[in-house]
Amino acid sequence: GAGVSQTPSNKVTEKGKYVELRCDPISGHTALYWYRQSLGQGPEFLIYFQGTGAADDSGLPNDRFFAVRPEGSVSTLKIQRTERGDSAVYLCASSLTGSGRYNEQFFGPGTRLTVL
Amino acid sequence: SQKIEQNSEALNIQEGKTATLTCNYTNYSPAYLQWYRQDPGRGPVFLLLIRENEKEKRKERLKVTFDTTLKQSLFHITASQPADSATYLCALVRSSGTYKYIFGTGTRLKVLA
Repeated sequence: GAGVSQTPSNKVTEKGKYVELRCDPISGHTALYWYRQSLGQGPEFLIYFQGTGAADDSGLPNDRFFAVRPEGSVSTLKIQRTERGDSAVYLCASSLTGSGRYNEQFFGPGTRLTVL
Repeated sequence: SQKIEQNSEALNIQEGKTATLTCNYTNYSPAYLQWYRQDPGRGPVFLLLIRENEKEKRKERLKVTFDTTLKQSLFHITASQPADSATYLCALVRSSGTYKYIFGTGTRLKVLA
């Protein structure tokens, strides 16, 4: 595709439920990032993939959050036992490489998650 | 801990004037710094990048400066237009092996016609 796509665009769930958020990066981009953005705040780093492996997952807030990228392309962010505090916009970004020092990130439109 | 501060208040300026946005950081030695634009309901869009050994970078009406002594970057939009109204984010990239991006809170700019 022409850009990074994320599905769904909106997700409403109940406290305690499990959700999956999907990211389709730009074809050929080896680096993929997940961020969380709350209202009035900048994107908060969650996890970074280089290829299939998570190169840095230090931003995941706790073990309810998990992300995979099994074939080095599409990634899924998984949240177990959702809490109201998980409500935010989840952004995905990709870049050509992650180890290169000067790569810009291309962001998707985000998934707005609301936990009731 | 790492901290990146941007003007927390919204910035209103008159069309045609130069907008200057500030990004300050502490406890950090970035490899480089990027500026992004974000419109409501959309993901950030990359504008400019400046490396730790560069003082200034320009692109059309945009200019970025980077002062590693002051730990500050300034972002300028000259001849501002109402279409420049958006939130502007700075992001520092730390060369800690994985080049993790740390974003500021953003500054909302409104250019008045």
